[in-house]
Amino acid sequence: DTEVTQTPKHLVMGMTNKKSLKCEQHMGHRAMYWYKQKAKKPPELMFVYSYEKLSINESVPSRFSPECPNSSLLNLHLHALQPEDSALYLCASSQVRGQRNQPQHFGDGTRLSIL
Amino acid sequence: ELKVEQNPLFLSMQEGKNYTIYCNYSTTSDRLYWYRQDPGKSLESLFVLLSNGAVKQEGRLMASLDTKARLSTLHITAAVHDLSATYFCAVRMEYGNKLVFGAGTILRVKS
Repeated sequence: DTEVTQTPKHLVMGMTNKKSLKCEQHMGHRAMYWYKQKAKKPPELMFVYSYEKLSINESVPSRFSPECPNSSLLNLHLHALQPEDSALYLCASSQVRGQRNQPQHFGDGTRLSIL
Repeated sequence: ELKVEQNPLFLSMQEGKNYTIYCNYSTTSDRLYWYRQDPGKSLESLFVLLSNGAVKQEGRLMASLDTKARLSTLHITAAVHDLSATYFCAVRMEYGNKLVFGAGTILRVKS
């Protein structure tokens, strides 16, 4: 079990649906991340939040909309997705500064399929 | 732009043998990570390397960092089947919290 919890674990949606992915951590981390991972590829960074503010958007299409309601929660709102958006979506968290030897902690991911 | 290259991309090895995975990166960074990923699973942190000459060992895995050469290695000693997984190196940009991952090395240990 990981310390970063993601729900749901699996999601199948049509291209016209609206859904949300959720991520929660209680490690006191103030940086949270969304990554997209296609099969047999490395994770690709999508968004970074630091102290609940969006600090990095890697030119992600607007059909993906992140939200960080508080320091423990991170959401990814999905709307009008395309079949090529099918992937494993990973959430991660880390310290922003201070503990230099700490890695990013990853959740188990949400496997998303777009019909 | 930071680029991270890993090789080999696929490694098939016999149990009991030794091998090394290499990770090169293109610009200055202040830390490097090694992660393991089992099929369909999340990423598990293995090592964090912070400074030139850093060496860390855990079981049959040993990681090292040469910041002058911009090279990290992950050495596998006397491989066992349980080590079969995909191994990623990831390099943190010098400023900010962005990680750039290598392509990953798929390791298969055959008995």
